[in-house]
Amino acid sequence: EDQVTQSPEALRLQEGESSSLNCSYTVSGLRGLFWYRQDPGKGPEFLFTLYSAGEEKEKERLKATLTKKESFLHITAPKPEDSATYLCAVQALTYQKVTFGTGTKLQVIP
Amino acid sequence: DGGITQSPKYLFRKEGQNVTLSCEQNLNHDAMYWYRQDPGQGLRLIYYSQIVNDFQKGDIAEGYSVSREKKESFPLTVTSAQKNPTAFYLCASSLRSGEKLFFGSGTQLSVL
Repeated sequence: EDQVTQSPEALRLQEGESSSLNCSYTVSGLRGLFWYRQDPGKGPEFLFTLYSAGEEKEKERLKATLTKKESFLHITAPKPEDSATYLCAVQALTYQKVTFGTGTKLQVIP
Repeated sequence: DGGITQSPKYLFRKEGQNVTLSCEQNLNHDAMYWYRQDPGQGLRLIYYSQIVNDFQKGDIAEGYSVSREKKESFPLTVTSAQKNPTAFYLCASSLRSGEKLFFGSGTQLSVL
């Protein structure tokens, strides 16, 4: 059974204090690993897809990386508007189901 | 603007009542999905559909039903058989199965 574990559950940063969120996964052949951002009371918003170990993608202050066992979402010099819950999800090669982690709730304090 | 529209935003269900959540997309996506989100848990898949007039059960389909009569629409019915329906329900679509998901804004269902 596919599993996705995100850590920490919650993270509180000062504005400008860089950090990383972790997503550990087990899947029977990875088709893709996805990162989403979710604001309270709203649907998740797509950030990145990573397909193979060693791949990296960037968007503004966010950078996602992938190894064979985990993915990191690096946040450089975060701002209060980066506060949200960040969700990681994996999809296996052999079937259509996407498995989500429980998310990391990020709070950036001015 | 293209996107996914869910309605209503809030819904209340009485005991023994069936309720239907609406999901419409104008992205011309083939695949559509329904997820349930509970506090402290990851999104769990209820049903998904890859083409019109076809759908498959997800991990937690018991007590729910769907239809896909049009490409744009994928309504979810929460039946009286679902004994713990209180949750945040999210509809999503993707161009094809396996690609990135576009989510609606969600429906919060509560039991009276």
